[in-house]
Amino acid sequence: QQQVKQSPQSLIVQKGGISIINCAYENTAFDYFPWYQQFPGKGPALLIAIRPDVSEKKEGRFTISFNKSAKQFSLHIMDSQPGDSATYFCAASMKSDSWGKLQFGAGTQVVVTP
Amino acid sequence: DAGITQSPRHKVTETGTPVTLRCHQTENHRYMYWYRQDPGHGLRLIHYSYGVKDTDKGEVSDGYSVSRSKTEDFLLTLESATSSQTSVYFCATGGTIIHEQYFGPGTRLTVT
Repeated sequence: QQQVKQSPQSLIVQKGGISIINCAYENTAFDYFPWYQQFPGKGPALLIAIRPDVSEKKEGRFTISFNKSAKQFSLHIMDSQPGDSATYFCAASMKSDSWGKLQFGAGTQVVVTP
Repeated sequence: DAGITQSPRHKVTETGTPVTLRCHQTENHRYMYWYRQDPGHGLRLIHYSYGVKDTDKGEVSDGYSVSRSKTEDFLLTLESATSSQTSVYFCATGGTIIHEQYFGPGTRLTVT
């Protein structure tokens, strides 16, 4: 049973558009929410992360929005570029977990058309 | 890939044979993890480790074992490979900020 539910499974966006990926969780003990980006044939790479004490975090064209009461968080890719075409995974973990284990969503394949 | 290598990168094996995948890191990270990646499931944790000979099971550990005799090496063994273990396997490490994980390039394993 997946503890982090991610949607959509895939999306196509035109160059310059906004890509939005949503994740939801049930375990209120989660307190660290990273996003990973994976290109074909490569391992996932940490893109951006947020803790629940802030509602938004922005790094360049990537923004995480966090809604603690709804137990949801989302990734927005502004001004999407063909180079952003990749699979994106949300994840969650607990600071109290001394092993640093992550629970991953199922992934969203993003295709940015020229 | 944060100094993480995996070998082999591709392997085809037959049902019932044992298979060992190797992860080697040069970052001196204490935490190491093995995941499998399957469509529709994201990344699922198989086993993890903190230091030499300190390992534990993840959510999908059945049919897998691990060993870590050196900080830099983490081995994943499929004791008797089955077709359901056809997958892409990723090794990851966690450094000072343990929840930040760094992934290797993956091993694509096909069990026929």
